[in-house]
Amino acid sequence: AQSVSQHNHHVILSEAASLELGCNYSYGGTVNLFWYVQYPGQHLQLLLKYFSGDPLVKGIKGFEAEFIKSKFSFNLRKPSVQWSDTAEYFCAVNKVEGQNFVFGPGTRLSVLP
Amino acid sequence: DGGITQSPKYLFRKEGQNVTLSCEQNLNHDAMYWYRQDPGQGLRLIYYSQIVNDFQKGDIAEGYSVSREKKESFPLTVTSAQKNPTAFYLCASSTGRFGNQPQHFGDGTRLSIL
Repeated sequence: AQSVSQHNHHVILSEAASLELGCNYSYGGTVNLFWYVQYPGQHLQLLLKYFSGDPLVKGIKGFEAEFIKSKFSFNLRKPSVQWSDTAEYFCAVNKVEGQNFVFGPGTRLSVLP
Repeated sequence: DGGITQSPKYLFRKEGQNVTLSCEQNLNHDAMYWYRQDPGQGLRLIYYSQIVNDFQKGDIAEGYSVSREKKESFPLTVTSAQKNPTAFYLCASSTGRFGNQPQHFGDGTRLSIL
């Protein structure tokens, strides 16, 4: 069965530190990849997505993610985090021919001012 | 503004009772989804619908039922057969019928058992 793992349950950083959140998936076919973010008290919203083409994708608020097919990974990065990035981040995978989205368990990011 | 509306925000259920969670969207999206979110487990798919009058079971459909009589609406019923219904329930929708588009989420309904 398809699964998505996220390396860290809770990450704590100081402002201006660099961020990398890991995401790995188990499905071997062609996939679409997403990162969603849930800010405190708000609904889930799309941060960025990868469908095809350049494996380095840029999203909102300075986030980017790199798809490495050989490693089944889609890690999220930001060079310098801000306090306002405090949120829970979810990686999600969808098979190109399917409708079933599979979400990772989430990583909670706390940024200290 | 277009979006997804879930109601109620908080819901309490007595043992043996069925409850229905509402999800309405005005985004004109074909596909709609129901997820359950538990701490440390991320989102798990309960049911999804690609088109009106059609829906499919997700990974954890047991104890739940849905209907899709209108494009805008996808209500979820948590039946008495669901033994552990306490969770946060999220509704989502997307354009396209084959999951190639990102999902838009509602604000969720938190269900608790009395």
